[in-house]
Amino acid sequence: DIQMTQSPSSLSASVGDRVTITCRASQSISNYLNWYQHKPGKAPKLLIYAASNLQSGVPSRFSGSGSGTDFTLTISSLQPEDFATYYCQQSYNTPPTFGPGTKVDIK
Amino acid sequence: QVTLRESGPALVKPTQTLTLTCTFSGFSLSTSAMCVSWIRQPPGKALEWLARIDWDDDKYYSTSLKTRLTISKDTSKNQVVLTMTNVDPVDTATYYCTRTAGVLFGDPLSGYYYYYMDVWGKGTTVTVSS
Repeated sequence: DIQMTQSPSSLSASVGDRVTITCRASQSISNYLNWYQHKPGKAPKLLIYAASNLQSGVPSRFSGSGSGTDFTLTISSLQPEDFATYYCQQSYNTPPTFGPGTKVDIK
Repeated sequence: QVTLRESGPALVKPTQTLTLTCTFSGFSLSTSAMCVSWIRQPPGKALEWLARIDWDDDKYYSTSLKTRLTISKDTSKNQVVLTMTNVDPVDTATYYCTRTAGVLFGDPLSGYYYYYMDVWGKGTTVTVSS
């Protein structure tokens, strides 16, 4: 199985901050990388698919980049509703695997 | 509007078989490139993918759990069922079903389908305890 890692595991930030989360795959996955946002008690929400494609309805302050083994999720200006845990997930092969998550909380 | 809803027992005893049902609307599992996946999240831990069933009845399972899982579909009822045998307290988790959709990148002759989990149910919490 492909192993996914994320850094940092958690971060504290303020509203308006630019936030960057990194995801790394244990082997090249081309652009087969998705990002999800998960809030406690809620269903996870797809933010980005195929590394850089914004899912319909997701605010443009979210963006994704990367290819191969290294990927980045950026929130350009953190909003109060963005405090959550973010997961990357590879869909290069089966089984799909998730990263361990990055928790973004309020500074 | 696409919706999915998970149902099943809230409490099961160790060694029993857990049966979870995903009832969905807004799409058909008869449609090409449509799939349903199951994911779980143990308390305080990360998301873990469990299984997927495709429109053509292809099935895929977690490497570590494949001997214990079975996924099936009833297209006429818009339902997908996941069974997990011989449950243990470590299987305590919130279980989610998701629509997994394929989007075509490129032209139909030389392009490829990219799959992602675009709509999730709210999840059902299962506790394994005697």
